Amino acid sequence: QKEVEQNSGPLSVPEGAIASLNCTYSDRGSQSFFWYRQYSGKSPELIMFIYSNGDKEDGRFTAQLNKASQYVSLLIRDSQPSDSATYLCAESGGGADGLTFGKGTHLIIQP
Amino acid sequence: DAGVIQSPRHEVTEMGQEVTLRCKPISGHDYLFWYRQTMMRGLELLIYFNNNVPIDDSGMPEDRFSAKMPNASFSTLKIQPSEPRDSAVYFCASSASGGVSGELFFGEGSRLTVL
Repeated sequence: QKEVEQNSGPLSVPEGAIASLNCTYSDRGSQSFFWYRQYSGKSPELIMFIYSNGDKEDGRFTAQLNKASQYVSLLIRDSQPSDSATYLCAESGGGADGLTFGKGTHLIIQP
Repeated sequence: DAGVIQSPRHEVTEMGQEVTLRCKPISGHDYLFWYRQTMMRGLELLIYFNNNVPIDDSGMPEDRFSAKMPNASFSTLKIQPSEPRDSAVYFCASSASGGVSGELFFGEGSRLTVL
């Protein structure tokens, strides 16, 4: 059974600071990793994906992958109150066979 | 383009009643997924279809749950009989095999409360 682990939080970060969200996964065969953002009462939406070891940057967001340590992270620079949400980490074996999600980290950006 | 459409958005029912949740995927997407979300268990994959064919239903909790996809634009998830522990938000999601692997597009969800 694949598992994706996240600290549930809440993680409280001052506005303008860097928010760091972390995730570990159990299956060494996992190929692809995703970060979804979910606002309260809304559906998850994809914000980043990463396949290769190292960093991937998209605007204020940076995803980091370390397959040797089975570790994925998401950094949010210049955090804004609108970034307050639950962030879900997910993994895939590489095919289009559905994602295994972590339970999410609740992030609060304090103005 | 319209996104994934789910109905009903909210359903309150009594234990033992039949519940049917509906989903219309994004046109052209050939994968459809049903997920359930609770505080305790997070997002769980129940079943997914490829080209209307069920591929993996190992996440369906028990025989009370069934899902169908009679055509490319419609799917149902049925619970009969419903129990209080089925209370959750049920999400339908679709994806395109030609797109980014794993990029799921979610509907707004159906919040089910079983009394």
